[in-house]
Amino acid sequence: DTGVSQDPRHKITKRGQNVTFRCDPISEHNRLYWYRQTLGQGPEFLTYFQNEAQLEKSRLLSDRFSAERPKGSFSTLEIQRTEQGDSAMYLCASSFRTGNTLYYNEQFFGPGTRLTVL
Amino acid sequence: AQSVSQHNHHVILSEAASLELGCNYSYGGTVNLFWYVQYPGQHLQLLLKYFSGDPLVKGIKGFEAEFIKSKFSFNLRKPSVQWSDTAEYFCAVSRLSNSGYALNFGKGTSLLVTP
Repeated sequence: DTGVSQDPRHKITKRGQNVTFRCDPISEHNRLYWYRQTLGQGPEFLTYFQNEAQLEKSRLLSDRFSAERPKGSFSTLEIQRTEQGDSAMYLCASSFRTGNTLYYNEQFFGPGTRLTVL
Repeated sequence: AQSVSQHNHHVILSEAASLELGCNYSYGGTVNLFWYVQYPGQHLQLLLKYFSGDPLVKGIKGFEAEFIKSKFSFNLRKPSVQWSDTAEYFCAVSRLSNSGYALNFGKGTSLLVTP
């Protein structure tokens, strides 16, 4: 399967614990995005990378959240001191730009990591 | 606030009925428009997209959408739904901004197609 993969698919943790999620984008995609989706809502943007550079972080991303993409390939999203409000599906997506187009192509999504904080 | 609005949160249709899901956005300037679908237990998949050109866009599985710039709308349509179309449908907008074409999603519409 050459799509976007995420690990783990499910994570249950106790409040106050740290958790880390991994995303492996499609190999030639240089942009990687993280989103968060809560019940009854569409995904909300958290942050994105172009290659290894993190170019923007949403206001949703508190200082307990950190993301990395050290070699411009896979990315990790860490949440420190988890809170019950962090319970959500965390989605990763990747995209690329072809030729001379001004636009990035559509984003391809992974299956997500469902986090439950008890 | 700038946003993406989907008018219907829950839709129930019988097989062979026609479908139209509304989507409006409030962003100015040049936008890219998308409809994504999430089938039960599966990840988000692209149904169709509009970047430029013909405002009537055809996607997979018989879906189409029409971009009406003056109305800031991008409604999704299918002339005859099937039971397998039961899913969550999300409208999304992207544009060049500090978020680098990040997608802004609507809240989604849950479609149930009954036999």
